[in-house]
Amino acid sequence: GAGVSQTPSNKVTEKGKYVELRCDPISGHTALYWYRQSLGQGPEFLIYFQGTGAADDSGLPNDRFFAVRPEGSVSTLKIQRTERGDSAVYLCASSLSPGTSGTRNEQFFGPGTRLTVL
Amino acid sequence: AQSVAQPEDQVNVAEGNPLTVKCTYSVSGNPYLFWYVQYPNRGLQFLLKYITGDNLVKGSYGFEAEFNKSQTSFHLKKPSALVSDSALYFCAVRSRSYNTDKLIFGTGTRLQVFP
Repeated sequence: GAGVSQTPSNKVTEKGKYVELRCDPISGHTALYWYRQSLGQGPEFLIYFQGTGAADDSGLPNDRFFAVRPEGSVSTLKIQRTERGDSAVYLCASSLSPGTSGTRNEQFFGPGTRLTVL
Repeated sequence: AQSVAQPEDQVNVAEGNPLTVKCTYSVSGNPYLFWYVQYPNRGLQFLLKYITGDNLVKGSYGFEAEFNKSQTSFHLKKPSALVSDSALYFCAVRSRSYNTDKLIFGTGTRLQVFP
């Protein structure tokens, strides 16, 4: 019953490798968000999905980053040619659809995936 | 552009004393403000939010926050701190338009409650 789940909890990879990070949102939540939290910083927005489509991907730092949500539920954040600077905790959040009362719907966060690029 | 600022990196308080964690905001239009708490190796947990209405908002674990429009502040408070309140606290503002919906976070304040 859960809340938002993310896998893996930790990922260590080598520079130049490809990684995928998975997010399972709360059942029934149509909005899904990815954030990145670097050490000592607050979370920074990456991308926002409403249903299957990415409504706002303006926070993705460059074209090595891509995210999908093909069935409107689970989402995967994909990072190509990883760099040491990509090391961070990647947080996923979900919320009810921002409809007529949407401004009242808070985001619920998962525990995050800690990515370390060696 | 929407933003929030948390001027204190760390706040230290003795158990049983009142605590305040400061947050100021800069927004165009009506602000939608949030407080989240982060415990070690865990995700962010929602504490409380201000959308409209009463300036004093009550949230989880005995926390409350006071919205002050003239001072553009949204400080988090608790009358009597517990050691278990020690954690990282984030203030955030919601930025929403026809093509976006996201939270913009402050840099966080580490609260340390001493026994």
